[in-house]
Formats: sequence, structure tokens, C-alpha cells
Amino acid sequence: GDSVTQMEGPVTLSEEAFLTINCTYTATGYPSLFWYVQYPGEGLQLLLKATKADDKGSNKGFEATYRKETTSFHLEKGSVQVSDSAVYFCALPTDTGRRALTFGSGTRLQVQP
Amino acid sequence: EAGVAQSPRYKIIEKRQSVAFWCNPISGHATLYWYQQILGQGPKLLIQFQNNGVVDDSQLPKDRFSAERLKGVDSTLKIQPAKLEDSAVYLCASSLDLQGPSTDTQYFGPGTRLTVL
Repeated sequence: GDSVTQMEGPVTLSEEAFLTINCTYTATGYPSLFWYVQYPGEGLQLLLKATKADDKGSNKGFEATYRKETTSFHLEKGSVQVSDSAVYFCALPTDTGRRALTFGSGTRLQVQP
Repeated sequence: EAGVAQSPRYKIIEKRQSVAFWCNPISGHATLYWYQQILGQGPKLLIQFQNNGVVDDSQLPKDRFSAERLKGVDSTLKIQPAKLEDSAVYLCASSLDLQGPSTDTQYFGPGTRLTVL
């Protein structure tokens, strides 16, 4: 079935450092791809999404490009802030077509001042 | 717009006891999901409703878990009897319409953290 694989965490960075969190996927066809973020004590929030190959999703300074050649959807940010500390999840719709999401295992980001 | 509401936020029970979680989705959202998130893992779907009908419950351990969505609005997830491995965060999410665009965003509640002792 469809699945996503994320890089292991935790990732610890200093403020203003460059961030990359890797995500690769296995899917039949070209599903939409999502990044969700979970701040401490809060529910999951959609961070960004891309609906087709070569699309770039962006929000709050974060970007991810849907690359079908490498089956990847890596999350990047040029300059992280302490407030970006959270757990980030890559996700895609399940292969049942019913739009429930299959999530990666999550990557914890800790940004130090 | 009010978000997805869940209660309680935290619950501690002994194994073999029963527990129930409640979810109120965003008004007008036809599709409701329950996910289980074990510590250190991503959420996994338990059950999906479209209005008051079940769309997918293939991952729901039906010998102990049950869920309903009466009147197509609020939903309740129940565990009876609970096991140690049920310790997790139970997340409720809703989206506008199953038949809508495939990018239909899911909105998540804050979750209920269950600890089974």
C-alpha cells in the first residue's frame, strides 16, 4: 500500500539555521502530498500541500516541492525560529481512495536560541 | 470558525476498564475520522464516517473498539475492555466532503491522551 518514510529525529538546530526534513513516498499514481505540524500540546495542523508533480507548497516560510522523479516531498525552511519547534509529519491519502491519511512517523524539530 | 472539539483531554484508567471519547467536528463537515497516535509514531486511522455512515473501519479492533456518529454530527469512540497497548492519543478530524477534491483538508482536534495502567 501507499506509504511515506521520514528522516529520523530529533533534529536540533540553532535559530536562523537552514532546515531540511526528508520525506519519500511510495504510491500508486500521483497522490496529493501533505505536511502537517504538531506543536506541543496541540492537535495536528496542515502546514502545506501539493496536488501534482512539480507543485511547490509553501506556508509560514516553509516550502516543499513534489518531485515524482525521486518520489520525494522534502520540507525546507531557510531560517528557523524557536517557535518552529514541533513535530512534523509527512502524509498522503491512503490507497483506498477514501482520503483518510497515511502519516510518516514524524520528525521532532528542536530549535535553540 | 470553531475547530474540532474533543473531550476529555486526558484520561487514566486501569486495564479491563471501559472508556469513551467524544468529538464534535467543524459545523457542516460531512466526513469524520478517528485516528490513534501511539507515542513516537504517526497517527493511524481507526474509523472514517461520511455523515452517519461508516466508510472505512478496516483498522478498528472491533472486539474492543466501537464508534458511532448519530445524526451525522458528534461522534463517540469507545474502548471496552481497555488493554495496556491502547495507551495513545486519540485524534478526531473532520473534512468538508468525501466527494470533494482530493486535497480536501482534514482539521484535527487537540486529541485525548489515554493512559492504561
